[in-house]
Amino acid sequence: SQQGEEDPQALSIQEGENATMNCSYKTSINNLQWYRQNSGRGLVHLILIRSNEREKHSGRLRVTLDTSKKSSSLLITASRAADTASYFCATAPDTGRRALTFGSGTRLQVQP
Amino acid sequence: DAEITQSPRHKITETGRQVTLACHQTWNHNNMFWYRQDLGHGLRLIHYSYGVQDTNKGEVSDGYSVSRSNTEDLPLTLESAASSQTSVYFCASRSGRGDTGELFFGEGSRLTVL
Repeated sequence: SQQGEEDPQALSIQEGENATMNCSYKTSINNLQWYRQNSGRGLVHLILIRSNEREKHSGRLRVTLDTSKKSSSLLITASRAADTASYFCATAPDTGRRALTFGSGTRLQVQP
Repeated sequence: DAEITQSPRHKITETGRQVTLACHQTWNHNNMFWYRQDLGHGLRLIHYSYGVQDTNKGEVSDGYSVSRSNTEDLPLTLESAASSQTSVYFCASRSGRGDTGELFFGEGSRLTVL
């Protein structure tokens, strides 16, 4: 079963708008990461937030983490057509196997 | 520049044949992983390794095997390919033993089993 589940599954917005994607997970985590995947390519790491952090920024990206609700959100501000991609959250457990578990992703389409 | 490469990028094979997908990284990372990506399932972990001679099963390991004879390579073998193994396969690596940091991914290998 998937540890992380993204919502929505697909999102279409206009250039300049903000895009928000949500991720829910089931077990205790060490950290949560967001990745981007362009069509036909490998995944690229965007940002990592640790379990003791609540918010993190990187350029136009803002990630929040609520461990009490087991949820995270990724906000892309002032979106561009080049942001069109699939976005995945991935969780690293705080015990046991230390491999990342990925969700099923959100497909973002930014219309020029 | 350091990188992670997968080969072949595309392969078509027949049911029952043995297939090996190669993964080579030049970062000298201890940790290497194989995932498969299918529509509606995201990425699912097949096998992983924390170092030479170390291999571990992931959540969908049945029908797959890996070996780690050196730091750079983690080949994935399908002993007898099945149609259910048609998928896109991604290799990834990261530094540190047991570290939970970011993964670096290859470009993927698209496998079709007829």
